Amino acid sequence: SQQGEEDPQALSIQEGENATMNCSYKTSINNLQWYRQNSGRGLVHLILIRSNEREKHSGRLRVTLDTSKKSSSLLITASRAADTASYFCATDGGGGGFKTIFGAGTRLFVKA
Amino acid sequence: DADVTQTPRNRITKTGKRIMLECSQTKGHDRMYWYRQDPGLGLRLIYYSFDVKDINKGEISDGYSVSRQAQAKFSLSLESAIPNQTALYFCATSVGFQETQYFGPGTRLLVL
Repeated sequence: SQQGEEDPQALSIQEGENATMNCSYKTSINNLQWYRQNSGRGLVHLILIRSNEREKHSGRLRVTLDTSKKSSSLLITASRAADTASYFCATDGGGGGFKTIFGAGTRLFVKA
Repeated sequence: DADVTQTPRNRITKTGKRIMLECSQTKGHDRMYWYRQDPGLGLRLIYYSFDVKDINKGEISDGYSVSRQAQAKFSLSLESAIPNQTALYFCATSVGFQETQYFGPGTRLLVL
């Protein structure tokens, strides 16, 4: 299975609610990134969190990283219909060589 | 204007045909990447290039080749297309090692 695995695979919520997505990975990492993809379009970077960081915020986004559990979560507060998209975590796989390993993504649907 | 552009945006071809996908960027980044995305899966790295003279295979390079014609241009070729290469292909760039990647809009390829 892939390094990054998002959970849940799909999430449907009402506008105004919070959305939480989780990512688990297998090997040590240097950093972890979250991306958003609107249907059939290119990925847009949201947040990068490094292995020595535990939490980062960007607007309505909050990302946490727990390296002991090899997991990360993305929280979107006060969701809007425009947040409807797929969300992917990507890790660098640790070590010195280059890797970018994407999970299969969480599909978020925000109902107006 | 978009910073990372891909041409064509959509392509239908037949088994055995040679096809080239092109990527151009105006971000001035040295690092460029090619990914493919299949339904229900995350992105998988095909090839990457850290500068004009540096080309590296990714996770799934078999059946593909690349050319880095200039800092701003990175092309992906399918020498003899096969149906299981039907996918969404993305080009991306980054400024640094394991840093944020900026994606193009994607090329949807159908191999009949």
